[in-house]
Amino acid sequence: GENVEQHPSTLSVQEGDSAVIKCTYSDSASNYFPWYKQELGKRPQLIIDIRSNVGEKKDQRIAVTLNKTAKHFSLHITETQPEDSAVYFCAATTNTGFQKLVFGTGTRLLVSP
Amino acid sequence: EAGVAQSPRYKIIEKRQSVAFWCNPISGHATLYWYQQILGQGPKLLIQFQNNGVVDDSQLPKDRFSAERLKGVDSTLKIQPAKLEDSAVYLCASSLRGDQPQHFGDGTRLSIL
Repeated sequence: GENVEQHPSTLSVQEGDSAVIKCTYSDSASNYFPWYKQELGKRPQLIIDIRSNVGEKKDQRIAVTLNKTAKHFSLHITETQPEDSAVYFCAATTNTGFQKLVFGTGTRLLVSP
Repeated sequence: EAGVAQSPRYKIIEKRQSVAFWCNPISGHATLYWYQQILGQGPKLLIQFQNNGVVDDSQLPKDRFSAERLKGVDSTLKIQPAKLEDSAVYLCASSLRGDQPQHFGDGTRLSIL
């Protein structure tokens, strides 16, 4: 089955810096890769996703890149703000029919003012 | 639109007792998921419904866990008897169809004494 590894486990940056979180997946059949943000005690919220027919997707300060050959994808946050502080999870699944999301172990991002 | 509703938010029970969680998905969402999130880990899929039918329950510990979605809307997840290792947050998610993004509820935090 699918296995997703996520690095780093914690990431501390200064406000205004960029942050990058990386994930690798094992199943070459996976074709859908969402990223979720989870604040303490809150629900995971979908912030961006990418499908395997696209190499990069951007939404304001957030971007995701995908390298199918190397089986890894990354989340990029630019101009970080204190409210970006949270745990970020990547996930991977095949997306033909029914999703069976396999999540990474999470990255705790701390943005200091 | 109203989000995924879950109750209760918190539950404390002793081991070997039983417990039930309730989920009301976003209106019109055909696919419903139950996840278990142990502290410090990403969510792990337990069971997935399409309307009132089970699509995948391969990771559900069926000797103690059960779930149903009788009318294809609300769902309940039950644990009987509970073990210490069941302490976790139980998240419900829903999607319009099986290949669409998943939206999560706030979860139920279960503590086993």
